[in-house]
Amino acid sequence: GAVVSQHPSWVICKSGTSVKIECRSLDFQATTMFWYRQFPKQSLMLMATSNEGSKATYEQGVEKDKFLINHASLTLSTLTVTSAHPEDSSFYICSAPARQDSTDTQYFGPGTRLTVL
Amino acid sequence: GENVEQHPSTLSVQEGDSAVIKCTYSDSASNYFPWYKQELGKGPQLIIDIRSNVGEKKDQRIAVTLNKTAKHFSLHITETQPEDSAVYFCAASHPGGGNKLTFGTGTQLKVEL
Repeated sequence: GAVVSQHPSWVICKSGTSVKIECRSLDFQATTMFWYRQFPKQSLMLMATSNEGSKATYEQGVEKDKFLINHASLTLSTLTVTSAHPEDSSFYICSAPARQDSTDTQYFGPGTRLTVL
Repeated sequence: GENVEQHPSTLSVQEGDSAVIKCTYSDSASNYFPWYKQELGKGPQLIIDIRSNVGEKKDQRIAVTLNKTAKHFSLHITETQPEDSAVYFCAASHPGGGNKLTFGTGTQLKVEL
């Protein structure tokens, strides 16, 4: 299957600072990538759709000025959590659809654990 | 929008037994139904998927069935092993949804020795 990587795998930051998380499709190109947030023992909640070369589309209730998304190339999307606060501590996961046999299959990255002190 | 319900939330089975997880969806236009396995601290891993043009798909010990009329689909794991212990998520998406997935709430499967 296709491979999606994330960096860093975990990060600890102080309240008020910004953190950037990278999502890369390693062996395929992705015009669209998705960013999810997952709290302990809960399901994945879609935050936004990252579109290569254009603005991201945010889900209802997600602050676009707080969660900045940039999809500058067909293999890289970044999520920047600005002015992070303890309530932003979570597991952030990206995914990208890869075309196989004329249909799209979503592959997920390994996730980034963010802890805001 | 799409709503996916998943049951049970926790499931304990003895090694070697079968496990069944069920999901229902609300949007009749949904046509793609993947299942993901998530181990602690890791990202979800696709284990099997099914599209609406088939009713069943099998891959070794794992199978998925789809009933479009009733709008539900199920994951079947046979001959369970301890390494099958994880959280399993079902999901659904529909054409025109831009590949967006709507996830179920997850099932914690524990395979006991």
